[in-house]
Amino acid sequence: KAGVTQTPRYLIKTRGQQVTLSCSPISGHRSVSWYQQTPGQGLQFLFEYFSETQRNKGNFPGRFSGRQFSNSRSEMNVSTLELGDSALYLCASSLGTGFNQPQHFGDGTRLSIL
Amino acid sequence: DAKTTQPTSMDCAEGRAANLPCNHSTISGNEYVYWYRQIHSQGPQYIIHGLKNNETNEMASLIITEDRKSSTLILPHATLRDTAVYYCIVRVASSSNTGKLIFGQGTTLQVKP
Repeated sequence: KAGVTQTPRYLIKTRGQQVTLSCSPISGHRSVSWYQQTPGQGLQFLFEYFSETQRNKGNFPGRFSGRQFSNSRSEMNVSTLELGDSALYLCASSLGTGFNQPQHFGDGTRLSIL
Repeated sequence: DAKTTQPTSMDCAEGRAANLPCNHSTISGNEYVYWYRQIHSQGPQYIIHGLKNNETNEMASLIITEDRKSSTLILPHATLRDTAVYYCIVRVASSSNTGKLIFGQGTTLQVKP
């Protein structure tokens, strides 16, 4: 069974630009969560989507947004990029939203802001 | 939120069992203990999770104390490829925490030849 696929793997942008990252969950998984990982802050939760609806959101500014499509694929968008947005962005999928259902992570998109 | 305490780092000899401890003294009755690991430049990998009983899968065993205030992840025969950061996470079962895993600093396990 294919794992979580994130594209692109690497991305370089400049300040002020916007970026869209893509995530394809494991087949049959309907919940997708996004995380940001930086050396200083570690892994931090961004948001979760289930059935095309955002169910939970972390403590990030409105420049960070996402959506989920009917096939459960998800995208996240960051507008007006700042140097501090340089990070590894991780997507995780799970069958549903139950707390007994593990999340499975992709290998992330490494975003560098110049 | 239930918090976890893990040692910052541990060493283990290749071929020996690696026992990684985790304290979660404020855990509530319906909260699961999850273990993930992260090898450099990769996403976190799910290892195992449990509620009350001990659990075993092809990767590891999870031992949860009877009072549920601590747990131990056991890698039975550690290899060099098990060198990673290991995260113990208590998954808080509330509506504000759906889809959310709270990662701490984890334990860096170094497996040595």
